[in-house]
Amino acid sequence: NAGVTQTPKFQVLKTGQSMTLQCAQDMNHEYMSWYRQDPGMGLRLIHYSVGAGITDQGEVPNGYNVSRSTTEDFPLRLLSAAPSQTSVYFCASSIRTVSSGANVLTFGAGSRLTVL
Amino acid sequence: AQSVSQHNHHVILSEAASLELGCNYSYGGTVNLFWYVQYPGQHLQLLLKYFSGDPLVKGIKGFEAEFIKSKFSFNLRKPSVQWSDTAEYFCAVNGAQGSNYQLIWGAGTKLIIKP
Repeated sequence: NAGVTQTPKFQVLKTGQSMTLQCAQDMNHEYMSWYRQDPGMGLRLIHYSVGAGITDQGEVPNGYNVSRSTTEDFPLRLLSAAPSQTSVYFCASSIRTVSSGANVLTFGAGSRLTVL
Repeated sequence: AQSVSQHNHHVILSEAASLELGCNYSYGGTVNLFWYVQYPGQHLQLLLKYFSGDPLVKGIKGFEAEFIKSKFSFNLRKPSVQWSDTAEYFCAVNGAQGSNYQLIWGAGTKLIIKP
């Protein structure tokens, strides 16, 4: 089925390790984004992209990098993991940029990351 | 700063009870309003949305929400809940920030339906 695919679903890291969360969509969506979900805090935007080669920071970008070399893929890199990055991460995409205001996001299944 | 407030973090109801989840936002301009739902072990999905027109919008699975502009509210309702409605519900508001829109999320409400 078409949609947003995230890998891995679960990951345990030690402090200081680096890793990449993968996100791919096959809907030809221009807009892709990464959120983290923490208890009692809703979803917070980390980084987003409005098209291949274009990325921008969201609300909580520190400690994370992204790139968008193709329309389909939007990986999130943790440069040096910290316990504060323990969270559930969601990738989401939409057909147009969220800046148009009226777009529905399609979410991936989430990646649960624990940093020890 | 814009914010979205969901008043109840946890709600426990029995089957067949009526449901109303509150959502208030702080923003004075044009907004687009969403409710998303996350069932246990599943990804977030759209429940319903309001862009314009009739302020009473209907979504999937018998849910509806009413946009009351004067109260800055977009409360979610269902007349009779089922056990399968157990999930976490998120309100989100997309409001213009200059030339861009910014999607702001509420903290979520965990709904547990007792069979």
